Amino acid sequence: KAGVTQTPRYLIKTRGQQVTLSCSPISGHRSVSWYQQTPGQGLQFLFEYFSETQRNKGNFPGRFSGRQFSNSRSEMNVSTLELGDSALYLCASKVDRFYEQYFGPGTRLTVT
Amino acid sequence: DQQVKQNSPSLSVQEGRISILNCDYTNSMFDYFLWYKKYPAEGPTFLISISSIKDKNEDGRFTVFLNKSAKHLSLHIVPSQPGDSAVYFCAARINAGGTSYGKLTFGQGTILTVHP
Repeated sequence: KAGVTQTPRYLIKTRGQQVTLSCSPISGHRSVSWYQQTPGQGLQFLFEYFSETQRNKGNFPGRFSGRQFSNSRSEMNVSTLELGDSALYLCASKVDRFYEQYFGPGTRLTVT
Repeated sequence: DQQVKQNSPSLSVQEGRISILNCDYTNSMFDYFLWYKKYPAEGPTFLISISSIKDKNEDGRFTVFLNKSAKHLSLHIVPSQPGDSAVYFCAARINAGGTSYGKLTFGQGTILTVHP
């Protein structure tokens, strides 16, 4: 079974721009979660989607948003980028009745 | 507010010996705990998990112990191998009223180095 895939793997953006990251979960996984990893804050939960609905949200500003499509693929969007948004963005998927999440390789976002 | 803490930033172990990675938590609402391993430039890889109703779970070389009264869990790797060198994260899930919501709270990670 193919793992979680994320595109692009690397991205460089300028302050004020917006960015969209994409995640394709493991086949059969309908829950997709997003995390931000930074050296200072570690791995922090952004949000979770299940059946095209956001059902859980972390403590991030409204500039961070996401969505999920009917095939369970998910995108996250960050608008009005700030330097502090530079991070590794990780997507994880899971089977709904289980708790183990499986992570993709991440998208490294650099904001200049 | 760091609800999951890994107080040792790094651990160095000789090949063949036991590696013990520790994790403490503060929120008694956590009901499921997981360990992940992460190599540079890769996403975390799931290793092993344990429910709060158990005190031990074993999978090959990996064993996780949970002490609920102390709010402490540990991951034992026996025997340690050079390929185990990575960053190890413990993570916890809050009991959300019987749902299987996916939010995990992670510790800061411990860098394990296994020397040949």
